[in-house]
Amino acid sequence: DQQVKQNSPSLSVQEGRISILNCDYTNSMFDYFLWYKKYPAEGPTFLISISSIKDKNEDGRFTVFLNKSAKHLSLHIVPSQPGDSAVYFCAASAIQGAQKLVFGQGTRLTINP
Amino acid sequence: DTGVSQDPRHKITKRGQNVTFRCDPISEHNRLYWYRQTLGQGPEFLTYFQNEAQLEKSRLLSDRFSAERPKGSFSTLEIQRTEQGDSAMYLCASGPTEVFGYGYTFGSGTRLTVV
Repeated sequence: DQQVKQNSPSLSVQEGRISILNCDYTNSMFDYFLWYKKYPAEGPTFLISISSIKDKNEDGRFTVFLNKSAKHLSLHIVPSQPGDSAVYFCAASAIQGAQKLVFGQGTRLTINP
Repeated sequence: DTGVSQDPRHKITKRGQNVTFRCDPISEHNRLYWYRQTLGQGPEFLTYFQNEAQLEKSRLLSDRFSAERPKGSFSTLEIQRTEQGDSAMYLCASGPTEVFGYGYTFGSGTRLTVV
């Protein structure tokens, strides 16, 4: 069963506008959520995270929002830049135990000049 | 600190052969993970080490798979009697025990093709 879902395989946004990537999860035991960015032929790179005790975390152009009641999180990128073009993965974990990450399928973001 | 290193970057093997991959984590990181990623999917957890102890294995890790982390440093992942379904990107990640909010550092992966 897919515990973390990213329902949009791709997203195209104009440079300078806002990019919004969405993620849904089903497991209530998850208490930490992360976004990773991946370029071709490279491993995923950590972008930003949020604990379940928060509903928003901001780092420069990147903001992650968490809606626990809806089991939904989103990543906002403002303004979008051509270098942001990559595949973005949402991941979830439980702080206890192995802290293994459960990933979504990924969303390919393309920023058009 | 050169990050997480994985070797080889690419491996092509014939079905039925054994292969071994190596991961060198960031030196001060005591947590080490192996993940597998197939086309169009996110990485899937395979196994986890805390120092030299293998503490968790996914049911994805069949008997043909074995992983080690001697002395809590580098790790190896061996696949015996490879099958075409083993073709995937194998990713290694490491992280410190204490800080979780910064995520883990992934290597660039080993792409395995079984022909």
